Amino acid sequence: EAGVAQSPRYKIIEKRQSVAFWCNPISGHATLYWYQQILGQGPKLLIQFQNNGVVDDSQLPKDRFSAERLKGVDSTLKIQPAKLEDSAVYLCASSLTQGARSGELFFGEGSRLTVL
Amino acid sequence: GDSVTQMEGPVTLSEEAFLTINCTYTATGYPSLFWYVQYPGEGLQLLLKATKADDKGSNKGFEATYRKETTSFHLEKGSVQVSDSAVYFCVCGSEKLVFGKGTKLTVNP
Repeated sequence: EAGVAQSPRYKIIEKRQSVAFWCNPISGHATLYWYQQILGQGPKLLIQFQNNGVVDDSQLPKDRFSAERLKGVDSTLKIQPAKLEDSAVYLCASSLTQGARSGELFFGEGSRLTVL
Repeated sequence: GDSVTQMEGPVTLSEEAFLTINCTYTATGYPSLFWYVQYPGEGLQLLLKATKADDKGSNKGFEATYRKETTSFHLEKGSVQVSDSAVYFCVCGSEKLVFGKGTKLTVNP
């Protein structure tokens, strides 16, 4: 079974530039998550999709971050314009079931962003 | 909101040593509790979970017991191996998953 695919693995940009990350979840997984992991911290949820609808985006900085999952399969996370503090690893995860209590999340390897 | 506090690392052990990584949580209601692990060069993966008080999760020789009275979910292994070297995250799940900061474990031969 193919895992969660993410690209690019690494990206270096200057502040105020834009960047986009792509995620393809495990086939059949309706729930998709984007997490931000800053060095030395645990992952923080940015946005959760159920099919192509947003379930939770309460911690997404909407002035600069956007995410979409148009056909309920793959997803794109965009940052525009980037700030120095956006340097982090962006993790995509998917799960069969919605809800934190029961489901196992499957994570991709992440996209490491460095903002100079 | 929910929060997780786990033992700060890094932790360095010799092979066959006993491992404990402490984890406590704060949550409203009755969350599920998880340990996720990230091996070098790999994505995060679920190690074990417990969904209610007194449940014991176990996998690959690791164990953790959901202690509601002490709001804890400590990870233990009786004899660690070099291959256990990784970063371990304690996670609390009610409405969403909340991760601890992670504990890096290095096991030397």
